[in-house]
Order: sequence, then C-alpha cells, then structure tokens
Amino acid sequence: DAKTTQPTSMDCAEGRAANLPCNHSTISGNEYVYWYRQIHSQGPQYIIHGLKNNETNEMASLIITEDRKSSTLILPHATLRDTAVYYCIVRFHNAGNMLTFGGGTRLMVKP
Amino acid sequence: DGGITQSPKYLFRKEGQNVTLSCEQNLNHDAMYWYRQDPGQGLRLIYYSQIVNDFQKGDIAEGYSVSREKKESFPLTVTSAQKNPTAFYLCASSRAGGLTDTQYFGPGTRLTVL
Repeated sequence: DAKTTQPTSMDCAEGRAANLPCNHSTISGNEYVYWYRQIHSQGPQYIIHGLKNNETNEMASLIITEDRKSSTLILPHATLRDTAVYYCIVRFHNAGNMLTFGGGTRLMVKP
Repeated sequence: DGGITQSPKYLFRKEGQNVTLSCEQNLNHDAMYWYRQDPGQGLRLIYYSQIVNDFQKGDIAEGYSVSREKKESFPLTVTSAQKNPTAFYLCASSRAGGLTDTQYFGPGTRLTVL
C-alpha cells in the first residue's frame, strides 16, 4: 500500500500562496491522490483529488509530478481561515473506498 | 439540507459503560465509515460498511461494534472492552463503487470516559 510523507508543520503569510508538499513514492498506477483538511475540532473537509493531470477547483490547485511520486497542494491566496491540518492521502485500490489518514501538515496562516 | 449528522457533539461516560454514537446521512450514500482521532494524530479506521446489513473491520476494530440495518444509519458502540475509548470519533459516507468516490465527514463526537 502506498504511503505518504508530509512535513509536520508550515507557516504562510496571509494573502500569499501556500504550497503544501506530499511524497508518495510507492504510489501505484490506479491510485488517486486526495487532499483533505481538518480545522480544529471539526470533521475533515474534502479539498481536491487527482490521478495524473493537474487539477483546480474553487478551493485549491493540485500539481502532480510526471512520475506521480509527489504532489503539491496550492492554496493561491491563503486566509486566516485556512489554518488547519492538511492531509495527503493515496487511495488504496484494494480496500474499497476507505481512506487512511497519516499525521498531515499543520498549516498556520499568519497575519 | 443534505449531509451527515453525528450526535451528540460531546459525550461523557463512566468507565465500564457501553456507549453508542449516532451517525445519520441523507445523501443516499451506500458506504459509511467510522474513524477515531486521538490528539495530534491522524484518523484511523474502525469499521466500514459498503452496503446495508454488511460491514467489515478496519485497523482498530477491537472494543467496538457496529450495525447497518438501514442505509442512512451506521451507529457505533464503544464497549467496555475498548482500553482507551476517550477520543474524537468521526463518521463518513461515500457512494459505493469506483476508486474516485469522495468521503464526506460528519462534525464528529468527542467522547470522554471518566
């Protein structure tokens, strides 16, 4: 099963882009990369997912390297409300639709 | 409004008592999940169900039990056999089938065993 590695914490200035990296060097061809975030004491919130191509939605952009061994979540204009723990997850293809969450990156957006 | 509800938000129980956490969804999702989160940690899967009347153990099922009698409901019972039940419990649901189905989470229940 593919696992992910993320930095434990990051800081970002308000209004600037937040770039959150994730390594998933053992990812297999049919596994997707998902990003969730969790604001303190709330349930996780889905952000974005992708397979090979870069993806963008109203919340963020997801950049996946050509070899798919790493990805970056980009919050283009971080606000104080983006302060949260961000989880990078690789979907296990033989485990139904379960998601396994690691420790994530604690993003602190500062004024 | 469509979504996933969990109740109560905070729950206190005495050691040795069983307690049942509620999870209801009106998204018409086939699959439902229970996760546990400890302070500063990621989520760990307790149980999941991909269809009514069927469920499977996750990574940390010992001391927990579930039922799936209705599509919209997936209650979790924390039994007295669970050694460290104090935690934040999250329920999620998704459409069954396919690798791209996104899981949507409820607001969580914080259980404290005294």
